[in-house]
This record gives sequence, structure tokens and C-alpha cells, in this order.
Amino acid sequence: RKEVEQDPGPFNVPEGATVAFNCTYSNSASQSFFWYRQDCRKEPKLLMSVYSSGNEDGRFTAQLNRASQYISLLIRDSKLSDSATYLCVVNDLTGGGNKLTFGTGTQLKVEL
Amino acid sequence: DARVTQTPRDKVTEMGQEVTMRCQPILGHNTVFWYRQTMMQGLELLAYFRNRAPLDDSGMPKDRFSAEMPDATLATLKIQPSEPRDSAVYFCASGDGGANEQFFGPGTRLTVL
Repeated sequence: RKEVEQDPGPFNVPEGATVAFNCTYSNSASQSFFWYRQDCRKEPKLLMSVYSSGNEDGRFTAQLNRASQYISLLIRDSKLSDSATYLCVVNDLTGGGNKLTFGTGTQLKVEL
Repeated sequence: DARVTQTPRDKVTEMGQEVTMRCQPILGHNTVFWYRQTMMQGLELLAYFRNRAPLDDSGMPKDRFSAEMPDATLATLKIQPSEPRDSAVYFCASGDGGANEQFFGPGTRLTVL
């Protein structure tokens, strides 16, 4: 079983739609969580951190459920420019390390 | 605008040749990471350094891969000899050592024929 699992998609949605991605992680000792965005043939970039209380950044809302070990990302009023691959990322800080484990990503295509 | 830089951006080589990829982390960052990305496996951590010391290279095939940080401004990843299965995009990332954002370079797209 992979440490971080995501539905690869693609999710094809019309502009203006709301779309949600989920991700599950296997290491219960994981301590911090992120969503990264990766455009085609580009490097991953941090979209937002995910906090236990849930957090929002404009049209984007991230939530964490530690008991069920899943993380979600909600995108409201999706734009064409949101088309990208969204990577769920988990940080394991045990042993003084700082290792990020990436999911394989969920592809989003926003269409006219 | 501080960025991680990587060279070369693209590399095509023949099986058996040595490949060296270079990375300049963001000035002041003390952790450096090497990742490999393929369609099948996604992003895999190969090795990482803190204050130039290797902390974890368990994701790296030891027989042909080596990673070093000769100084704080340069990290290298070497493959010798290269094989077709090494074809991938290799990303370098740097961070400030906390549980915070890692900043990725543009990657080196390696093709081994």
C-alpha cells in the first residue's frame, strides 16, 4: 500500500464548478500536511498547508481528519487556470527528519 | 526573487554514460532534496541533506547513484553508468529545515537511450 494515495483522475469540470479531492495517508505519525500544485512540465509548488482545524485561502479549502487519516481539498468557482495536477503531501518529522512523501497526484481539467 | 536553479534542463545520453546534474539551492536554505518523477511512480525522494551532511539516501540505488554537496551553494546527483530505466525528471528542492515549504527547481529531464 502506498504511503499517500490519491485518485489520479482526471476530473473534468466546467468553469465555475466546485470540485473536491481526497487523499489518504498510512503513517499515523505524520505531523504536517500540504497540497502542492504542479502544472504540466513544471515543478511542484506549494498551494497551501493543511491544519487540523481546517483552513481556507480564497476559493480553496483544505481539511484534515486525523482519525480517518485523510486530507481533502475543495476548490470553489473553479477557473480555467486551476487546471493542473494537485499533489497531496505528508511530512514525517520523526527522527529529526523532514521528509515529504508525495501522492501521485490528481489531475484537474477545467473546461469552458 | 530567490529560486532553486538546476542544470542541465534537458539531457539526452546513451546507456552506460555518466550523467551529472547540478543544483543551486536558495541562499540560506540548509536542507536540500533530490527527487525523481516518473509517470508510473510519481515523485520519489532519492536523497536529502541538512547542512551539507547526507541524512537519508535510502531511496537511491546505491550501485549507480551518488549525491554530494561540495559546498552550501551546490548539490550534485551523479548516475554512473546510466540505464534507460533512469529516464525521468529529476527535481532538486531546498528548504529552511523546518516543517515548512520546500522550493523546487525547474528539474532536469533525463532521457537515456
